[in-house]
Amino acid sequence: QQPVQSPQAVILREGEDAVINCSSSKALYSVHWYRQKHGEAPVFLMILLKGGEQKGHEKISASFNEKKQQSSLYLTASQLSYSGTYFCGTDSGNTGKLIFGQGTTLQVKP
Amino acid sequence: GAVVSQHPSWVICKSGTSVKIECRSLDFQATTMFWYRQFPKQSLMLMATSNEGSKATYEQGVEKDKFLINHASLTLSTLTVTSAHPEDSSFYICSAPRLAGTYEQYFGPGTRLTVT
Repeated sequence: QQPVQSPQAVILREGEDAVINCSSSKALYSVHWYRQKHGEAPVFLMILLKGGEQKGHEKISASFNEKKQQSSLYLTASQLSYSGTYFCGTDSGNTGKLIFGQGTTLQVKP
Repeated sequence: GAVVSQHPSWVICKSGTSVKIECRSLDFQATTMFWYRQFPKQSLMLMATSNEGSKATYEQGVEKDKFLINHASLTLSTLTVTSAHPEDSSFYICSAPRLAGTYEQYFGPGTRLTVT
């Protein structure tokens, strides 16, 4: 089943923060986050494994709550380059097979 | 990092013809590859799992006779859209997972198919 992302769209000013959530009805082994620009393939951001870990990458970090089957992506001090559509992909059995959420469109304005 | 290529990057074909899209893992072997389809402003929808040496596994609702998948080697999978129709116009993306503790997914750049 497709994970559910929220919100569907976010508009920010440069320097503002955002949180994107991903919720699954199935038990998860891992959650993968990607950013996609228009007309391009998704670009990998990070993977989170079951066990409730958190990860950070520059000003982008994420958490994974295994019990709640939820993951959140945190974007701090947003930059214009952060604009795009963010997808979470979930893997239930460490097979590499990802089911993607519907996406969250993020627009960062000057 | 690992690289996955796709060819062609875009293709325009006439209704009723067939189109082949190639997906290659350039610096690692992939016994499994995945094919996704993405319509404008929509998510990536998994079409099928391509397995080297065995038949592909198709997701529910995907016609296996229309979307032929062949995993010819450990670095190459092909998707052939047979008897293409305008509704098949989409962005087709392949991915190859590489095991590094867990499976990291590497996406190809995608193929834009337009059927006229």
